[in-house]
Amino acid sequence: EDQVTQSPEALRLQEGESSSLNCSYTVSGLRGLFWYRQDPGKGPEFLFTLYSAGEEKEKERLKATLTKKESFLHITAPKPEDSATYLCAVRTNAGKSTFGDGTTLTVKP
Amino acid sequence: NAGVTQTPKFRILKIGQSMTLQCAQDMNHNYMYWYRQDPGMGLKLIYYSVGAGITDKGEVPNGYNVSRSTTEDFPLRLELAAPSQTSVYFCASSSIAGGEETQYFGPGTRLLVL
Repeated sequence: EDQVTQSPEALRLQEGESSSLNCSYTVSGLRGLFWYRQDPGKGPEFLFTLYSAGEEKEKERLKATLTKKESFLHITAPKPEDSATYLCAVRTNAGKSTFGDGTTLTVKP
Repeated sequence: NAGVTQTPKFRILKIGQSMTLQCAQDMNHNYMYWYRQDPGMGLKLIYYSVGAGITDKGEVPNGYNVSRSTTEDFPLRLELAAPSQTSVYFCASSSIAGGEETQYFGPGTRLLVL
């Protein structure tokens, strides 16, 4: 059974304090690993898709990396507007997706 | 482009009632998905479609049905609503270009079954 575990459940940072969010996964036939941002009461907003171990992608203060067992979302010098829940999901070659429960990030000014 | 649209935004159902959640996208995407999200949890895949006329079950399909008669529309049908179906429902579509997949979500439908 495909599984995705995100840690920590919640993370509180001071503005400018860099950190990383973890997404550990087990899946049969990984097609891609997805990262999303979700604000309260809104639908998820797509951030990145990673396909193979060693791949990295960046967007503003966010950088996502992928190994064979986990992915990290690195947040560099975060700002209060980066506060959100960050979701990780895996998609199999069969087209099915499994989500983690998310990490809620709070960045204090 | 309107992107992915969902209607209604909010609905209250009585136990045993039926309803259809509407989802439409105007981006000509082949892949479409229905998810549910319970409070404090990630999303669970209900059904997905890889193109018009093709649908398949996800992780939690029981109590739901879908159809995909056109590329644009992917309605989700709830038959005999139960309190366990109280959730927020998200529809999504994906584009795949150059091997890269990008997924777009609708704003969600909040459903309360009493």
